[in-house]
Amino acid sequence: EAQVTQNPRYLITVTGKKLTVTCSQNMNHEYMSWYRQDPGLGLRQIYYSMNVEVTDKGDVPEGYKVSRKEKRNFPLILESPSPNQTSLYFCASSLSLGTGGLEQYFGPGTRLTVT
Amino acid sequence: GIQVEQSPPDLILQEGANSTLRCNFSDSVNNLQWFHQNPWGQLINLFYIPSGTKQNGRLSATTVATERYSLLYISSSQTTDSGVYFCAVGGNTGNQFYFGTGTSLTVIP
Repeated sequence: EAQVTQNPRYLITVTGKKLTVTCSQNMNHEYMSWYRQDPGLGLRQIYYSMNVEVTDKGDVPEGYKVSRKEKRNFPLILESPSPNQTSLYFCASSLSLGTGGLEQYFGPGTRLTVT
Repeated sequence: GIQVEQSPPDLILQEGANSTLRCNFSDSVNNLQWFHQNPWGQLINLFYIPSGTKQNGRLSATTVATERYSLLYISSSQTTDSGVYFCAVGGNTGNQFYFGTGTSLTVIP
């Protein structure tokens, strides 16, 4: 089954304790992305990756790191989480449709609470 | 970045009614998608529609790229249509995506 998976789905942690949220897709998509969703703000893009070893900042990259060492995986790293990073996080991968077209497919989300 | 405005922010419908959701965007786009976020938080693809018109069952969408807006039509609404509908766009000059703040739809029986 074609899908985007995220782990963990729920995480409660404490300020300053490094964590990684994994994202994996089995559709051979080149483009992958991370978003955070906060009440009243919609989804905001954190980082995206056009291909292996190619990553770019989105609108809200501060406090996050990413890496793209393999095509299928795009982990999100919080080196020193803070309470303002409490949010619902989504990973997406995109089918390239040619001429710049990208159709996104989303994972199930990871609800992170930082105390 | 591209500003994305969705209207209305909230909508309550009786089951069986029709509705139109609007997405305005501030710049040229080469990507536009509509999503439904169900009450369990899942984001479900509805349409990839940077221009033109598409239909899928009771849902249809139209994007007029030259006038920078897209419309999502829901006909004969059902309670399972409840949730939040998001419009997301990607610009011509990069690969970044921008979401609107959504339309929260409640369909009552």
